Amino acid sequence: AQKITQTQPGMFVQEKEAVTLDCTYDTSDPSYGLFWYKQPSSGEMIFLIYQGSYDQQNATEGRYSLNFQKARKSANLVISASQLGDSAMYFCAMREGRGIQGAQKLVFGQGTRLTINP
Amino acid sequence: DGGITQSPKYLFRKEGQNVTLSCEQNLNHDAMYWYRQDPGQGLRLIYYSQIVNDFQKGDIAEGYSVSREKKESFPLTVTSAQKNPTAFYLCASSTTGTPGNTIYFGEGSWLTVV
Repeated sequence: AQKITQTQPGMFVQEKEAVTLDCTYDTSDPSYGLFWYKQPSSGEMIFLIYQGSYDQQNATEGRYSLNFQKARKSANLVISASQLGDSAMYFCAMREGRGIQGAQKLVFGQGTRLTINP
Repeated sequence: DGGITQSPKYLFRKEGQNVTLSCEQNLNHDAMYWYRQDPGQGLRLIYYSQIVNDFQKGDIAEGYSVSREKKESFPLTVTSAQKNPTAFYLCASSTTGTPGNTIYFGEGSWLTVV
């Protein structure tokens, strides 16, 4: 069964608009972590934002925020005031368990290709 | 600067040959990982290691081997048994004592079988 689902293969947005990238997840573990990464065409994975399952507030990092709806098992990434440099692939990923002990194995979604138009 | 270094960036291999991808980190992380990415797809876990001299299979370990003789190094060998090795390979490392955003990736290695 797919553990991370990103239903938007591609999105096109006008510069300066806000954009929401969807991510739903599936786990029976009460402890988990959710990550968003940006992958530009050069290939490196750039960490954007993290949300722990027990975190009370939605995570924010600059222009990035995570709309965490635990009951719906959704963790959408919101990018405010989009810029041309935001054009890239975006991946949602999940780590099951608290990650306190042992390795932090991630399961990735298929990604969403975001294109920002001038 | 602290980080993860992968080499080579681009590698071409003839069918039937083994090839080794290098991954070195100076972040003092205990855990290291290898992921594979196919075009237009997400990452899939090949192998991971939580400590020196120990490693575990991930979801797609067949046709790959690893070693962890030093904390800083986690090389991946793509063997001739790997039926479709052409892909982008990413190495990562993390702490094992704290949760959260402590997973770092290298810049990746492109492997093409010719």
